[in-house]
Order: sequence, then C-alpha cells, then structure tokens
Amino acid sequence: GQNIDQPTEMTATEGAIVQINCTYQTSGFNGLFWYQQHAGEAPTFLSYNVLDGLEEKGRFSSFLSRSKGYSYLLLKELQMKDSASYLCAVKRNYGQNFVFGPGTRLSVLP
Amino acid sequence: DTEVTQTPKHLVMGMTNKKSLKCEQHMGHRAMYWYKQKAKKPPELMFVYSYEKLSINESVPSRFSPECPNSSLLNLHLHALQPEDSALYLCASSQTTGELFFGEGSRLTVL
Repeated sequence: GQNIDQPTEMTATEGAIVQINCTYQTSGFNGLFWYQQHAGEAPTFLSYNVLDGLEEKGRFSSFLSRSKGYSYLLLKELQMKDSASYLCAVKRNYGQNFVFGPGTRLSVLP
Repeated sequence: DTEVTQTPKHLVMGMTNKKSLKCEQHMGHRAMYWYKQKAKKPPELMFVYSYEKLSINESVPSRFSPECPNSSLLNLHLHALQPEDSALYLCASSQTTGELFFGEGSRLTVL
C-alpha cells in the first residue's frame, strides 16, 4: 500500500520563504513530483526528484531523502500569485502510476 | 505542441444519459491517464493506458468505460452515472519517464 501526507494549510507573507513538507510510505518508489494547482484549474508541474538531494528551478526548489521517505518544496520570494494548492505525487515503478498526496493549500498574504 | 486538450469543458447529464469525455495529445506520449478530482481533494487515479493498452484500473465502477482508439486519443464513456460522480475529470499524458501533463479538465455535473 501507500501513504502520503502533507500539511493541510499554510500561510506565509509576500516576499518570504515557505517550505512545504511531504512524507510518504510506498513500495516501488520511482520518483517524487510536485505540482501547483490554482482553484478551478488543472495541476501544473513544478519539480521532481528521483535521487536524493536538492533540485533548484528558479524560485522553486525540491528536496528528497529516499531513506526517510521525505520531500519538501521550497518557495522563495513569495508572490501573491503563489497562493494555490501544492500537491506532491509519488510515482511507482510498476505501470505508470502516479499517486497524489492530499495537497497543501498555501495562502500568501500582503 | 505541449498541450493536452479535453472536451467538453463542462457537461451536465441526467442519470439515464450516455455521454463521453474526450482527450487528445500530440506530444508522442505513450501513457495516458484519467483522474477524478472532487473539490478540495487531490486527483484520484482512475485508469492508465500504456502503449494503448489498459494497464491500471483502480477498481472504477463499470458505469465508467475508458477507450484508447490510438496513441493520441483517450475517451471516457459515461453511462448511468450517479450524482456523486459529479467532479472534475482530468486527462493527463506522460512519457514512460517524466512528469504528467494535464489537460484543463471536464467539469461534470450529474443531475
């Protein structure tokens, strides 16, 4: 089976840095992906990790520790438009199977 | 072309109707997916097609019937749905490695 956990809601201030955590327990791990979803829209891809360590893409970075079943998404220089849900998704190595965590709703305040 | 196109964007149907949702991609992806998403919940995997063959069916009721006519098209046939099936239905595609690309979704309301 699998279990993926994220905080339900977070609040941060414009210009600040926020870290959104994701923990998972799964068999057949084959990568962890982060998506952003604005209300009423489809998810859009942000970042992914297959190996341990930090991946940086502009204002967004993602970290993975496979031994700890732990990932985080780091958002720097927060902007109002970053208010959205952030979903981590585990890819399993049989079939093409992406399973999403519950999502974290981030509110960025002025 | 990096788009996944879904039609219709909105669909209202009665419990006795038969309708279909359609999805198309021209990125050469060989895996295509249907997800169901309820409000304030994450997407739930329904079906996966890999190389035009159904590879995953997450115990979805038979009133939902997927079809993959070719490597670019994916359909979801709907029949005798229930009001609780009202949701956003998301199509996605991917390479065998790499991320999911989502369409904008079809918002379904069952009366």
